[in-house]
Amino acid sequence: ETGVTQTPRHLVMGMTNKKSLKCEQHLGHNAMYWYKQSAKKPLELMFVYNFKEQTENNSVPSRFSPECPNSSHLFLHLHTLQPEDSALYLCASSHTGPFLEKLFFGSGTQLSVL
Amino acid sequence: KQEVTQIPAALSVPEGENLVLNCSFTDSAIYNLQWFRQDPGKGLTSLLLIQSSQREQTSGRLNASLDKSSGRSTLYIAASQPGDSATYLCAVEEGTGGGADGLTFGKGTHLIIQP
Repeated sequence: ETGVTQTPRHLVMGMTNKKSLKCEQHLGHNAMYWYKQSAKKPLELMFVYNFKEQTENNSVPSRFSPECPNSSHLFLHLHTLQPEDSALYLCASSHTGPFLEKLFFGSGTQLSVL
Repeated sequence: KQEVTQIPAALSVPEGENLVLNCSFTDSAIYNLQWFRQDPGKGLTSLLLIQSSQREQTSGRLNASLDKSSGRSTLYIAASQPGDSATYLCAVEEGTGGGADGLTFGKGTHLIIQP
């Protein structure tokens, strides 16, 4: 266990559905991240939250909506997704400061959009 | 835009061999570099983190080196074991540091250690 828990592990949804991914960290970190991992592509940073404030939105389509109610919880709300959004969505957390410390990742949510 | 390249994309070696995985990055203005391991269908586990002012880091049978000026890093695995089979990812932090910009990843090296 890395101390970062993601639910659900697997999700299948239609293009008209609305669903949410959840991430929780028990490490006392102040920063949380969403990454997307597609087949044969590098991990892509989606969103960064530092002390609950969003500091990065890496040109992500508006059909992905993040929410960070506190430093321990992070959500990714999904609506009207496209089949090309099928991927492994990974949450991570870390301490931040002058330099980024090690990132701790959850096991991910494998998303399939039909 | 920073690009991270990992060579080889895949590697299969017999158990017991020492091996080297390579990582290169296009913009040498990085703050640190991390090596991760990913098992199939799982998240990533951080193996080693090298700050930009450092040359290498060691953990057990793993040794990572960093040559910032040439934009290169290597991950050396000594006495490989079947349990080392996984995908190894290299990632750099750039920008203003502090984690605000996240990491830029390579596509990884898929490593298989044959028993």
